[in-house]
Amino acid sequence: DIQMTQSPSSLSASVGDRVTITCRANQGISNFLAWYQQKPGKVPELLIYGASTLQSGVPSRFSGSGSGTDFTLTISSLQPEDVATYYCQKYNSAPLTFGGGTKVEIK
Amino acid sequence: QLQLQESGPGLVKPSETLSLTCTVSGGSISSNPYYWGWVRRPPGKGLEWIGSFHYTGSSYYNPSLRSRVTISIDTSKNQFSLKLRSVTVADTAVYYCARPRGRNSASFAFDIWGRGTKVTVSS
Repeated sequence: DIQMTQSPSSLSASVGDRVTITCRANQGISNFLAWYQQKPGKVPELLIYGASTLQSGVPSRFSGSGSGTDFTLTISSLQPEDVATYYCQKYNSAPLTFGGGTKVEIK
Repeated sequence: QLQLQESGPGLVKPSETLSLTCTVSGGSISSNPYYWGWVRRPPGKGLEWIGSFHYTGSSYYNPSLRSRVTISIDTSKNQFSLKLRSVTVADTAVYYCARPRGRNSASFAFDIWGRGTKVTVSS
């Protein structure tokens, strides 16, 4: 089965900073990659699918890139409401594996 | 607008079977041919996909749970269910039901989630 590795596992950044989270698959998954945001005590929300397509309603400061095995989620200007844990998920085929998560905090 | 709501016991004893139901509102399961899914988040850990099930009977399960999991659909009640047998404390988690973006394939991201239900495994 394909494993998904996210890095870093946590980060602390200042409001307005550019934040980058990476997700690596140990085999190619084309662009079948999604990013989710889970705020404390809340339900996971889909941010990006198809590696780079923004889900409706998601702020444009979020963007995704990559294909094959290496993917990136970027927050162009970190906001206080972006405090959350972010997960990547591959969905090209079962099992639909999630990455381990990246916890984003404000410095 | 389609909505999902999990329900079931919040406490299950070790070695017993965890049974949860996801009720779909705002649309009929039988006219929405999705691979309905279950995801969980153990305390202090990340999200874990459990499995996905289509009303035709096609299903996919997490290999680490496959021997203990069954997902089924009751179209008459507009619900789908999760059964996890022989539970241990490691199965303590918040359990979510979810719907993928696209129909008739499990190869889509989940765009609609239930609010989640906390299940504790303890004697």
